[in-house]
Amino acid sequence: NTKITQSPRYLILGRANKSLECEQHLGHNAMYWYKQSAEKPPELMFLYNLKQLIRNETVPSRFIPECPDSSKLLLHISAVDPEDSAVYFCASSHGTVNTGQLYFGEGSKLTVL
Amino acid sequence: SQWGEENLQALSIQEGEDVTMNCSYKTYTTVVQWYRQKSGKGPAQLILIRSNEREKRSGRLRATLDTSSQSSSLSITGTLATDTAVYFCATDVSNYNVLYFGSGTKLTVEP
Repeated sequence: NTKITQSPRYLILGRANKSLECEQHLGHNAMYWYKQSAEKPPELMFLYNLKQLIRNETVPSRFIPECPDSSKLLLHISAVDPEDSAVYFCASSHGTVNTGQLYFGEGSKLTVL
Repeated sequence: SQWGEENLQALSIQEGEDVTMNCSYKTYTTVVQWYRQKSGKGPAQLILIRSNEREKRSGRLRATLDTSSQSSSLSITGTLATDTAVYFCATDVSNYNVLYFGSGTKLTVEP
């Protein structure tokens, strides 16, 4: 799916700070960060709609989202913990009013040493 | 959790067989979506089924939704090796189009 691009695809960290980036070319208003740990389903972290943060699940404060414009989403990570090792997916949808399809990127795999 | 199953289920079948995967959910919903996730990729939607449909077909796929038993199923007929993936049911109980995924079924189709 080249319509949602994520970078970097792979990330290996000690206790450093890093940012994940996502850009969607679908013209969608809503953008999501999901975390998927090994052998688990994706779990919502954050949801933005029209650049406003409208859902913030229980996420450690070392994860800080940013939505600089409606097509871009960032996830800043500081002082990572081994439990943060997972694949982080960006997703988008037309909006949040009606239940509809989510389009996922290919993910950024974070490995914490 | 919104879903009845807590752990990833695993199924292994031979190419050409039919398979049915099931999900049960706890909170009332009128829409269930099914997603497929291939290794190293993000989930991709297969079918969205609403409560007034009860059954929906797309090619070799058939989804059902029974709101009285709060369950949904996805069937694949004539499986192919390329159907090997993890299949998730998902629903939104947030009214913000936030999908909550079931634990998933890891389907392996042997050629």
